[in-house]
Amino acid sequence: RKEVEQDPGPFNVPEGATVAFNCTYSNSASQSFFWYRQDCRKEPKLLMSVYSSGNEDGRFTAQLNRASQYISLLIRDSKLSDSATYLCVVNGGTSGTYKYIFGTGTRLKVLA
Amino acid sequence: NAGVTQTPKFRVLKTGQSMTLLCAQDMNHEYMYWYRQDPGMGLRLIHYSVGEGTTAKGEVPDGYNVSRLKKQNFLLGLESAAPSQTSVYFCASRRGQSNSPLHFGNGTRLTVT
Repeated sequence: RKEVEQDPGPFNVPEGATVAFNCTYSNSASQSFFWYRQDCRKEPKLLMSVYSSGNEDGRFTAQLNRASQYISLLIRDSKLSDSATYLCVVNGGTSGTYKYIFGTGTRLKVLA
Repeated sequence: NAGVTQTPKFRVLKTGQSMTLLCAQDMNHEYMYWYRQDPGMGLRLIHYSVGEGTTAKGEVPDGYNVSRLKKQNFLLGLESAAPSQTSVYFCASRRGQSNSPLHFGNGTRLTVT
C-alpha cells in the first residue's frame, strides 16, 4: 500500500461546480498535512495547510480525519483557472519530521 | 525576495557526463531538499539537508551527491549521468518548525541521452 494515495482523476467538472478530492495516508503518526497545486510543467505551490479542526480559504476548504486517516479538499464555485493537479502531502510520523510524502496527484479540469 | 531559485532550467546530457544543479534560497530556511518527479509517480526525495554542512540520503539517492557549504545553497551533482536520471528536478526549502510547508523552486528539466 502506498503511504499516500489519491485518485488520479481526471475530474472533469463544469464551471461553478463543487468538487471534492480525498487523500488517504497510511502512517497514523503523521503530523502535518498540506494540499499543493501543480500546473503543467510547473513547480508545486502551496494551496493550504490542513488543520485538525478543518480550515477554509475562500472557495477552498480542507478537512482532516485522523481516525480514518484521510484528508479532503473541497473546491466551491470552480473556475477555469482551478484546472491543475492537486497534490496531497503528509509530513512526519515515525520517519521523522524531515520527510514529506507526496501523493501522485489528482487532475482537475474545469470546463467552460 | 526571489524565494527558491534553481539553475539551470533545462539541460541535455549524454550518458556518462557530469553536471551540478544549483539551488539557492533567500528565506533563511534551515531545511533544503532535492526531489525528482517522473510521470505517474509522486515526488521522490533524493537528498536533504537540515542545516549548513549537513546532508542525508532520501529514498532515491543512488547516482547523486549533494553539498551544502552555505546555508542558502544546496547543490545536486550527477557524476556519471544515466538515461534513468532523465527527470524533472525540484529543489525545496522550509523553516525549521516541523509543521512548516515546503517552498519549491521552478524546476530543472534534465534529459540524458
